[in-house]
Amino acid sequence: ETGVTQTPRHLVMGMTNKKSLKCEQHLGHNAMYWYKQSAKKPLELMFVYSLEERVENNSVPSRFSPECPNSSHLFLHLHTLQPEDSALYLCASSHFFKTSGIYEQYFGPGTRLTVT
Amino acid sequence: AQKITQTQPGMFVQEKEAVTLDCTYDTSDQSYGLFWYKQPSSGEMIFLIYQGSYDEQNATEGRYSLNFQKARKSANLVISASQLGDSAMYFCAMRDPRGGATNKLIFGTGTLLAVQP
Repeated sequence: ETGVTQTPRHLVMGMTNKKSLKCEQHLGHNAMYWYKQSAKKPLELMFVYSLEERVENNSVPSRFSPECPNSSHLFLHLHTLQPEDSALYLCASSHFFKTSGIYEQYFGPGTRLTVT
Repeated sequence: AQKITQTQPGMFVQEKEAVTLDCTYDTSDQSYGLFWYKQPSSGEMIFLIYQGSYDEQNATEGRYSLNFQKARKSANLVISASQLGDSAMYFCAMRDPRGGATNKLIFGTGTLLAVQP
């Protein structure tokens, strides 16, 4: 596998279900990101993990719970979602150095989530 | 506040012609980075090109070039010799100068490019 992979690619879940999205990067990066992409809206950053520490949480509802067990893996645990949570969820990774630098992010193919 | 504006919701271009996708940004910071990403219908966001605010030369990557006009705060993407495979959504993004340690990106709403044979 190369680049950033995400599983599953498509997910349909009821509002009472619990599911998890998985992201894996094979680029040697040390920062990972979760974005939400809804129709006709800019990408919304949800969470950032840098060196396995969560450094950003953009006021995301607690029904979304991220987990970053190591620098290569990122999960998004979902429970009791709402229909408005239906969207494309994109994972990305990049290099990160505390002192400086601007680094491009590399994205996975996304998980298309539908909440019924 | 930092903001990215893409005023073209959709564009058409004939195959083999060049096309310019507009992007303007708003920031009061002197140090920032600008990115363009391509998103085909498959969903994956593909990094295309990067321009740093202090770069004196316009960035180029193959058929992609960035027309960077700092005084006008614009960073337009130029695709030369369009191909059918260029049909996709294109997003302009800026590294949030106030993102601190997070390398946070701010995205525009995107432009849907359709290349016609």
